[in-house]
Amino acid sequence: DAKTTQPNSMESNEEEPVHLPCNHSTISGTDYIHWYRQLPSQGPEYVIHGLTSNVNNRMASLAIAEDRKSSTLILHRATLRDAAVYYCILGTGGGADGLTFGKGTHLIIQP
Amino acid sequence: NAGVTQTPKFRVLKTGQSMTLLCAQDMNHEYMYWYRQDPGMGLRLIHYSVGEGTTAKGEVPDGYNVSRLKKQNFLLGLESAAPSQTSVYFCASRSGFATTFFGQGTRLTVV
Repeated sequence: DAKTTQPNSMESNEEEPVHLPCNHSTISGTDYIHWYRQLPSQGPEYVIHGLTSNVNNRMASLAIAEDRKSSTLILHRATLRDAAVYYCILGTGGGADGLTFGKGTHLIIQP
Repeated sequence: NAGVTQTPKFRVLKTGQSMTLLCAQDMNHEYMYWYRQDPGMGLRLIHYSVGEGTTAKGEVPDGYNVSRLKKQNFLLGLESAAPSQTSVYFCASRSGFATTFFGQGTRLTVV
């Protein structure tokens, strides 16, 4: 399975943008880049996903490098509620395979 | 919309006891999954199912059994619990290219 590399932790201030990096140098042409987050004592929740082009939704933006070997999750204006572990995961779009989680990035938001 | 519901939320077992964790989803999803999460780690896939009556092994299947008798339910069984199975268990479901939805987790302690 293609693997991802994320920083163990990052810290940001409330109401500022946050850029969470992810390296995936062995990504295959059919791998989607998925981002999930896990709030304290909760199950993971979907944030965003993309294949080649940058993607935006109400929660975040996903910027994908032209060679697809890295990507960045962007939270435009972080709130205290965004404090969570963020997971960058590679996977096929519609296959039955489960998600392969790494340790993710623990995002700390300072008030 | 309840999404993915896990029962129970907490349980303490003695070594050697058995138990069944129940997962129910009301989204008519084909795929269902059981994960475990140990402290400071990402989720690891135990077993999964691609449809009613089917099951398959994930990354860490030993010591667990599963059944999918109805499309909306996915049961995880521990026949003889061991302290190494102390963990938080998450159920998830998905359909096709859609995102994966997770339950709130079951915290299991084996003493």
